[in-house]
Amino acid sequence: AQSVTQLDSQVPVFEEAPVELRCNYSSSVSVYLFWYVQYPNQGLQLLLKYLSGSTLVKGINGFEAEFNKSQTSFHLRKPSVHISDTAEYFCAVSVNTGNQFYFGTGTSLTVIP
Amino acid sequence: DAGVIQSPRHEVTEMGQEVTLRCKPISGHNSLFWYRQTMMRGLELLIYFNNNVPIDDSGMPEDRFSAKMPNASFSTLKIQPSEPRDSAVYFCASSPSSTVLYNEQFFGPGTRLTVL
Repeated sequence: AQSVTQLDSQVPVFEEAPVELRCNYSSSVSVYLFWYVQYPNQGLQLLLKYLSGSTLVKGINGFEAEFNKSQTSFHLRKPSVHISDTAEYFCAVSVNTGNQFYFGTGTSLTVIP
Repeated sequence: DAGVIQSPRHEVTEMGQEVTLRCKPISGHNSLFWYRQTMMRGLELLIYFNNNVPIDDSGMPEDRFSAKMPNASFSTLKIQPSEPRDSAVYFCASSPSSTVLYNEQFFGPGTRLTVL
């Protein structure tokens, strides 16, 4: 069975500090990986995605993520966070053996002034 | 484009009543998804349609839930009868391709349902 694990439910970080939000997946077949962001009282928006090619993926708002196949991880990073980055972040995976799409449980990022 | 449109944005109803949530996907998108989000269970996929046809409804919690997509521009999620445990935010999303594997999903603003 496929699954997505976001190891941290809440991450507080001071403004202008770096942040890493962790995501691990379990799958024995090819996967596509995504990070979505949900701002308060809004729907989810795509931050970035990995389909193939370079394992370092750059997204919107200065975020990037690195696909590590050996560790089955797709951690999200930002070198310097802003107050406006306070939101819920979801990792998601789709599996190349059928139209299945799985979201993680989310990580709540709070940027402290 | 106006994006995915959901109505109503908020719904408060009493236990036992029928609830209908509505969604208008982005024009030209071939896939439509219904999700439920709660604190306890996170974001759950309930059902998704491809070219108006239900492809996977394994996430629909029980027979009280039903979803339809009579045409490419409209879908409904109905709960009959509603129960307090159905209280959640319900999201509709659409995707431009029939292949959902690697395409972005565009989410609506959600409907916050409260069942008293």
